[in-house]
Amino acid sequence: AQSVTQLDSQVPVFEEAPVELRCNYSSSVSVYLFWYVQYPNQGLQLLLKYLSGSTLVKGINGFEAEFNKSQTSFHLRKPSVHISDTAEYFCAVEGQNFVFGPGTRLSVLP
Amino acid sequence: GAVVSQHPSRVICKSGTSVKIECRSLDFQATTMFWYRQFPKQSLMLMATSNEGSKATYEQGVEKDKFLINHASLTLSTLTVTSAHPEDSSFYICSAGGGLDQPQHFGDGTRLSIL
Repeated sequence: AQSVTQLDSQVPVFEEAPVELRCNYSSSVSVYLFWYVQYPNQGLQLLLKYLSGSTLVKGINGFEAEFNKSQTSFHLRKPSVHISDTAEYFCAVEGQNFVFGPGTRLSVLP
Repeated sequence: GAVVSQHPSRVICKSGTSVKIECRSLDFQATTMFWYRQFPKQSLMLMATSNEGSKATYEQGVEKDKFLINHASLTLSTLTVTSAHPEDSSFYICSAGGGLDQPQHFGDGTRLSIL
């Protein structure tokens, strides 16, 4: 079985500042890793995923994430956020099953 | 465009009503689909795995008789909330796919409100 931890439940940041949303996981098997964004009252949108290969993954909307196997982490980063990035972000892992983290609420302040 | 279609997007109904939610994979065949429930300001919790042509696999604590799942074809799974009560009000999301060949795709969700 897998588990996912997102240590920060809420992250406030000013517009145009950089942001990092943390994700750590545990699993006894190899996993695929994902970041999803959810805007209010909407479904999930895939930001990026790591399946294999390069550990630095670039996604949509200027986001990127780096897979660190030794630290079992997959932190999401963006160098300059916009107001429109305000949303809930979920890290997820797929191994024996698909598991979501508890989510991080990113609030971008003007 | 969307590869997983979920319908309806919103349902408001009286207590005691049964509600059916559809999940369709548009561009691929899905032998397995997943149903999640999301409470306000919380993460998605897997309710059950829908298997085409066989019984669904329910997660611990999910009532099989309450949440009926039917996966009659390779492109359609349905979740029926039977005799819904206010505590069943939630956001329900389906997904299909998974793995290298077909990433997990999510529907846009169904907001269920039981009065």
